[in-house]
Amino acid sequence: DTAVSQTPKYLVTQMGNDKSIKCEQNLGHDTMYWYKQDSKKFLKIMFSYNNKELIINETVPNRFSPKSPDKAHLNLHINSLELGDSAVYFCASSQDPRTDEQYFGPGTRLTVT
Amino acid sequence: RKEVEQDPGPFNVPEGATVAFNCTYSNSASQSFFWYRQDCRKEPKLLMSVYSSGNEDGRFTAQLNRASQYISLLIRDSKLSDSATYLCVVTLITGKLIFGQGTTLQVKP
Repeated sequence: DTAVSQTPKYLVTQMGNDKSIKCEQNLGHDTMYWYKQDSKKFLKIMFSYNNKELIINETVPNRFSPKSPDKAHLNLHINSLELGDSAVYFCASSQDPRTDEQYFGPGTRLTVT
Repeated sequence: RKEVEQDPGPFNVPEGATVAFNCTYSNSASQSFFWYRQDCRKEPKLLMSVYSSGNEDGRFTAQLNRASQYISLLIRDSKLSDSATYLCVVTLITGKLIFGQGTTLQVKP
């Protein structure tokens, strides 16, 4: 069973479009995250939710809107896509973010043309 | 200054070599420390947690020096399968994780 799953794995779209990436974890963790890994391989946190509540919101354009319908799901919606949004987006989960391992999904490779 | 700094490498070493990676962090409120491994085009996976007392897992040894805000990873008897990017990760008391840029290791036959 996949612990953290994301869909789609690849996403190619044009500038200006709106797209969503879905994430689900079956580990029973309370905390979920979205990360962005750019072409220089830096992995940066974007958002963190704990039990459906937003707890970390880094400096991310408001075109990015996370939604957590329940603690096992954290989706990411992106409006008006720009070239600079091209990156790999990773979802992750953990039980206690201060001390515990984070489990990552396989990533969604977004290419904006 | 980056919050977590690593030498990006690449480190090119022959099989059987011992290689050491270093990492420094700037936030003294950092609570937990980890090394993650990321293979090309894959997700990061936990390699090991890092403690002040040092910890060892087979060929891998990690060490934390809180006074110097410095973390290290030592890999002994390198294998081809160790080729990957090694990410130094620091968790703040707020629960936010900060990743270093990663150090790329290439083990050659």
